[in-house]
Amino acid sequence: DIQMTQSPSSLSASGGDRVTITCRASQTISRFLNWYQQKPGKAPKLLIFDTSFLQSGVPSRFSGSGSGTDFTLTINSLQPEDFATYYCQQSFSTPLTFGGGTKVEIK
Amino acid sequence: EVQLLESGGGLVQPGGSLRLSCVASGFTFSNYAMSWVRQAPGKGLEWVSGISGSGGPTHYADSVKGRFTISRDNSKDILYLQMNSLRPDDTAVYFCAKRERGGSTAVAGAFDYWGQGTLVTVSS
Repeated sequence: DIQMTQSPSSLSASGGDRVTITCRASQTISRFLNWYQQKPGKAPKLLIFDTSFLQSGVPSRFSGSGSGTDFTLTINSLQPEDFATYYCQQSFSTPLTFGGGTKVEIK
Repeated sequence: EVQLLESGGGLVQPGGSLRLSCVASGFTFSNYAMSWVRQAPGKGLEWVSGISGSGGPTHYADSVKGRFTISRDNSKDILYLQMNSLRPDDTAVYFCAKRERGGSTAVAGAFDYWGQGTLVTVSS
């Protein structure tokens, strides 16, 4: 199984900050990497698929990059509604696996 | 508008069974692979199982293989998860999720729509 490791597990940031979350796969997954945002009590929301493609309706302050085993989610100019937990997920092969999550909190 | 509505969760004793359902609407159900993803209380996301649009290839996480069975009824637009031999560590909110891309037999992919989840609690 492909293990997905996210870092950091949590971070504190202020509105307007630039935030970077990393995700590392235990083996190469090409560009089959997706990012989700989840707020308490809600279902996850797809932000980015295939490393860098923005899902329809997602603000352009979200962006993704990487390939192979190392990937990054960047949030430019953090907004109040961005405080949430973020998960990466590999879709290279089954079993599909998620990273452990990164909780973005208000500083 | 795409909608996914899960049901069937509840409290069950260890060793018991439950069947979850997910009613889909707003898209051509048979064209898309579907999955079940769970989240234990206060924990992260865990993919459980996936099924192709035709109901052909099915895939399972090792943690549920041999105990859970995924299926679908494309005439009714419903996804199922039959859960047997339930254990306390199966306690979680179970989400159904739609694969972002359709038109193939692949199960792996991103999930662009999710249901609201149904809580399964396994406890004596």
